[in-house]
Amino acid sequence: GEDVEQSLFLSVREGDSSVINCTYTDSSSTYLYWYKQEPGAGLQLLTYIFSNMDMKQDQRLTVLLNKKDKHLSLRIADTQTGDSAIYFCADSGTYKYIFGTGTRLKVLA
Amino acid sequence: NAGVTQTPKFRILKIGQSMTLQCAQDMNHNYMYWYRQDPGMGLKLIYYSVGAGITDKGEVPNGYNVSRSTTEDFPLRLELAAPSQTSVYFCASSYPGTGISEQYFGSGTRLTVT
Repeated sequence: GEDVEQSLFLSVREGDSSVINCTYTDSSSTYLYWYKQEPGAGLQLLTYIFSNMDMKQDQRLTVLLNKKDKHLSLRIADTQTGDSAIYFCADSGTYKYIFGTGTRLKVLA
Repeated sequence: NAGVTQTPKFRILKIGQSMTLQCAQDMNHNYMYWYRQDPGMGLKLIYYSVGAGITDKGEVPNGYNVSRSTTEDFPLRLELAAPSQTSVYFCASSYPGTGISEQYFGSGTRLTVT
């Protein structure tokens, strides 16, 4: 079945860049998504990329998509303490998502 | 500006008890979902619905039931609570379209079964 995998933890220093990686198995998705979950809250859409794009930039966020390797990454430039959260990549089907395990980003001051 | 509302926020159940987790959305979304979130396991889909009167099983439906009598409401029922159902439960909704399909999440219900 479809699977989406992420590493569980990432720790960076404030001001550095963070790179969160994701691999997926379904190659038919139209969009791939990144969601952010802050403590005690539900998930919120952070950004997304259309499957025929290689890169998308949105202020401090850069999404890279390598369709050949089925690899998605989220880069956060100038990481701030407010970026500490769990980040989920998601692969979308017809009306269902497959979420990754989530990467907990810890930003050290 | 309510979005997706879940109640209760916290609940402790004894083994064998029953309860209903409530979920309501005011965005007129056709699609609604129930997920459970366990540490290090991501979100697992329990049940989903593509419209009033239509529900279907997700990855982990055992021990749960749902109904969708209106577009707005999608309650999740636990009939005989078990410790394995200790988790954080999220309800979400989305609007079907040809573009991106953003899911909107409630703030979750933290359930402990002892």
